[in-house]
Amino acid sequence: QVQLVESGGGVVQPGGSLRLSCIASGFTFSSCGMHWVRQVPGKGLEWVAFIWNDGNNKYYADSVKGRFTISRDNSKNTLYLQMNSLRAEDTAVYYCAKRDKSIPLLQGAHLDYWGQGTLVTVSS
Amino acid sequence: QSVLTQPPSVSAAPGQKVTISCSGSSSNIGNNYVSWYQQLPGTAPKVLIYANDKRPSGIPDRFSGSKSGTSATLGITGLQTGDEADYYCGTWDSSLSAVVFGGGTKLTVL
Repeated sequence: QVQLVESGGGVVQPGGSLRLSCIASGFTFSSCGMHWVRQVPGKGLEWVAFIWNDGNNKYYADSVKGRFTISRDNSKNTLYLQMNSLRAEDTAVYYCAKRDKSIPLLQGAHLDYWGQGTLVTVSS
Repeated sequence: QSVLTQPPSVSAAPGQKVTISCSGSSSNIGNNYVSWYQQLPGTAPKVLIYANDKRPSGIPDRFSGSKSGTSATLGITGLQTGDEADYYCGTWDSSLSAVVFGGGTKLTVL
């Protein structure tokens, strides 16, 4: 069965960096685009970034553009989110999610499997 | 402020029907496919509806989706206490080149 397991969350000071990982199993990782979505506890979902299956194209929310970098290693079935220049408002649970190919690329947001999330806290 | 607009909360009695609206624009809902997600307390979101009106396997037909113009609607019939959750609509925004979500709707089954 499909599994997505995030790791790398923790407490970091403002201005610091953190790298999140998401290990995928149960599907052909190299064939699927992947998303990062975050959620401030008690608040709504905020999309963060998306990467194509081959890693050649990436998209970012304006709130993280220039600070966060999404990447992947298809040989390791692993998705990454490098987060730099962290701010208090980046505090959230970060989910990785798999794009389902039933919707044409860039015409919807069918995220068919989600990880359990990893909490990032930015605080001094 | 979310790009897609949902009511903050809805409520209904067990066994009744409820609808949740999601309003957007031509750059998102108007020209792209809408998905709906259910998030039970303390868990990750789960897709209920994709491509406007399709249900993934395992999702009961009590859940339905529709789209008209720049708005979408999630319908839930035969409400159960286990349906109490937050519900989110989502789609791609072609102008922003980004996934956009609604602010979420909290469903209370009275």
